[in-house]
Amino acid sequence: DTAVSQTPKYLVTQMGNDKSIKCEQNLGHDTMYWYKQDSKKFLKIMFSYNNKELIINETVPNRFSPKSPDKAHLNLHINSLELGDSAVYFCASSQVQGDEKLFFGSGTQLSVL
Amino acid sequence: QKEVEQNSGPLSVPEGAIASLNCTYSDRGSQSFFWYRQYSGKSPELIMFIYSNGDKEDGRFTAQLNKASQYVSLLIRDSQPSDSATYLCAVQGGKLIFGQGTELSVKP
Repeated sequence: DTAVSQTPKYLVTQMGNDKSIKCEQNLGHDTMYWYKQDSKKFLKIMFSYNNKELIINETVPNRFSPKSPDKAHLNLHINSLELGDSAVYFCASSQVQGDEKLFFGSGTQLSVL
Repeated sequence: QKEVEQNSGPLSVPEGAIASLNCTYSDRGSQSFFWYRQYSGKSPELIMFIYSNGDKEDGRFTAQLNKASQYVSLLIRDSQPSDSATYLCAVQGGKLIFGQGTELSVKP
């Protein structure tokens, strides 16, 4: 009965590889997000989707490509991984756009070697 | 550059004391203010939100907002060791911007 679930929890990979993180929410929320949290705990928005449409696209390298097949799912694909991509990536959802009471997934710890 | 600033801490308080966590923000147009709690190795969890100047109380937590001073705070009364976590202030103008968090340690 997990509200926002993301997989995998841990991802260890080599530089240059391509990887994906999946996220699903069963809360019936309209808006989903990807956040990146660096080693200093600084949490920064990457993307926001409202009902499958891209709303926020921060200054993120175009190696990062989100995809939302429906409003309950938001996946993140990362091409040509770099050392600096190592971080914890959180998926989140909120009931409607502009309502920033976020429900976070458990996070994906990405380590690029 | 719109910013949200918090003291990174760690803030150490004895059990039963009041913990006071502070946050300042730069965007005067900000409308909504949030406090998230993040235990080590876990995801952030919303614990308080406030929209209007003044105080908002929920159990042992009180959020205080002063828009003129661009200042928001979180008070935790009767602090417990289980309150030990990082507290993230988040401010919404056009988008939600997080501070770097304050690490709180409550000593038994």
